[in-house]
Amino acid sequence: KQEVTQIPAALSVPEGENLVLNCSFTDSAIYNLQWFRQDPGKGLTSLLLIQSSQREQTSGRLNASLDKSSGRSTLYIAASQPGDSATYLCAVRDNYGQNFVFGPGTRLSVLP
Amino acid sequence: DTGVSQDPRHKITKRGQNVTFRCDPISEHNRLYWYRQTLGQGPEFLTYFQNEAQLEKSRLLSDRFSAERPKGSFSTLEIQRTEQGDSAMYLCASSIDLSGTERINEQFFGPGTRLTVL
Repeated sequence: KQEVTQIPAALSVPEGENLVLNCSFTDSAIYNLQWFRQDPGKGLTSLLLIQSSQREQTSGRLNASLDKSSGRSTLYIAASQPGDSATYLCAVRDNYGQNFVFGPGTRLSVLP
Repeated sequence: DTGVSQDPRHKITKRGQNVTFRCDPISEHNRLYWYRQTLGQGPEFLTYFQNEAQLEKSRLLSDRFSAERPKGSFSTLEIQRTEQGDSAMYLCASSIDLSGTERINEQFFGPGTRLTVL
């Protein structure tokens, strides 16, 4: 059974810092991995999707990497801004079906 | 607006009542997913449709829960005889599985329906 963990659970940084969020999964036979952002009481916004054959994806100040063999993905946020404050979730779809498994999220606060 | 929409956004009900939620996916998306999310946790997969066929159901989906997607477009999730433990955010997502697209299987989520069972 696939399990997804995220470290740290919460993070508080001053504006302008670069930061890394971590996602780990137990079964490396994944189809893809997706990073999301969730604001309090809202739905999820897709940030980046990495297919199993890819090693990284970039969008603006965001860069996500994938290392299937070690069961890890990282989300790098450059030059953080207060508007980046949210919960960041990773989700993994394995090769056995359409069951996407989510991590518990990392709650990020960027202080002005 | 061409995103995923859900209705209602909030629902308060008494224990034992039935509730039904609706999800309208992005129009060209053939896959539709339902998730449940409780406070401080990531979403948990409930079920998934490809067109009108329900292809996968989680063990979380007890016999009080039923989902339909009769014409392969919108979907409904019904909870019968609600319990206080059903209180959660119910999220719907859609994706497209046509090969050759860069964003294959990227999930797009709706705003969710927050259910409170008193």
